[in-house]
Amino acid sequence: GGIITQTPKFLIGQEGQKLTLKCQQNFNHDTMYWYRQDSGKGLRLIYYSITENDLQKGDLSEGYDASREKKSSFSLTVTSAQKNEMAVFLCASSIQGVYEQYFGPGTRLTVL
Amino acid sequence: AQKVTQTQTSISVVEKTTVTMDCVYETRDSSYFLFWYKQTASGEIVFLIRQDSYKKENATVGHYSLNFQKPKSSIGLIITATQIEDSAVYFCAMREGANYAQGLTFGLGTRVSVFP
Repeated sequence: GGIITQTPKFLIGQEGQKLTLKCQQNFNHDTMYWYRQDSGKGLRLIYYSITENDLQKGDLSEGYDASREKKSSFSLTVTSAQKNEMAVFLCASSIQGVYEQYFGPGTRLTVL
Repeated sequence: AQKVTQTQTSISVVEKTTVTMDCVYETRDSSYFLFWYKQTASGEIVFLIRQDSYKKENATVGHYSLNFQKPKSSIGLIITATQIEDSAVYFCAMREGANYAQGLTFGLGTRVSVFP
């Protein structure tokens, strides 16, 4: 078994601020993902990474940067926080992307 | 482009009965994978069950089973002997087979409420 941890659990920022969310997994999974979930909605893919130092854009990548410096960690940066960005950001990982993805507990972003 | 549609926004059932929820998908790939996830009230997202497009048999895990109707592009989730703890939002998701690493496309979810 393994676990995915996301920090912080709650993130409050000001409009226009640069904000970073972090994700760590100890599954030893190759592929990691960032999704955004708006209230009452499904999940939408922001970025994913097949391996260390690899980055692939998802449907929602505009306004975000990502970084995968180690196999076990994947960071997401909101380059300029906007009020319509208030959502829960979920990190996930999987074995080479073939099988099901396992999700972290999420970071709830509030922009004032 | 791939698309996943869950038309039922909410379902209420009595404990110990069976609940069925629908999901239809669109894809141009001949190979794809279909998943069901559960999101609890705390926000935790848990993988439940997977169906591979090339498999004819419906997947079953515990009290979760699937009704895979490939000609109709439909993958229904069936929960038998429901318990109060099954109250959650259930998401259908799909990944096309061409790019094994790409993310999942999710439906909007179906909220299931199980009452005593």
